[in-house]
Amino acid sequence: GAVVSQHPSWVICKSGTSVKIECRSLDFQATTMFWYRQFPKQSLMLMATSNEGSKATYEQGVEKDKFLINHASLTLSTLTVTSAHPEDSSFYICSAEGPTNEKLFFGSGTQLSVL
Amino acid sequence: AQTVTQSQPEMSVQEAETVTLSCTYDTSESDYYLFWYKQPPSRQMILVIRQEAYKQQNATENRFSVNFQKAAKSFSLKISDSQLGDAAMYFCAYRSTPQGGSEKLVFGKGTKLTVNP
Repeated sequence: GAVVSQHPSWVICKSGTSVKIECRSLDFQATTMFWYRQFPKQSLMLMATSNEGSKATYEQGVEKDKFLINHASLTLSTLTVTSAHPEDSSFYICSAEGPTNEKLFFGSGTQLSVL
Repeated sequence: AQTVTQSQPEMSVQEAETVTLSCTYDTSESDYYLFWYKQPPSRQMILVIRQEAYKQQNATENRFSVNFQKAAKSFSLKISDSQLGDAAMYFCAYRSTPQGGSEKLVFGKGTKLTVNP
């Protein structure tokens, strides 16, 4: 099946700094990628939909200036958490739409801890 | 907006036995996809099974099968011959049929499955 690579797997940063998370489709082109956030023992909540070459679409309540999404190529989307605070600590997961548009493939996730 | 409900926060099963996880959803659409995803402790999301709403036949994948009741908007997952490796969080998810664009997955809150040896 299609492979989605997400890096880093975990990151620890100081409050006020910015962190970039990368999501790559390794063997297929993904015009659309999705970014989810998951708190401990909870479900995945969609943050935004990333479209190659255009602005991301954010879900209600998600701060677009805090969670910057860039989808500059057909294989790479990035999520930048700007001026991170402890409440931003969470597990972030990306997914990419597969070649047939019928399945979504997930990255392995990034655990962000903000001190 | 579509919603997905998993009414069982936790379930347990004895190894080699069968367990059924429940899922209901709400939608006004006639065509859509339904999924069951497994999330083990590694937190990697793994697709277990997929059902297309226009297909009446229930999907099966080895020991995993679904009972899809479209009129009742019910989509339960049956795991036969449970194995220790089946222990995980299971998420039911809904996805609209893409219409010239891309549609997001809407997840239920999940069911934690424990498999007892």
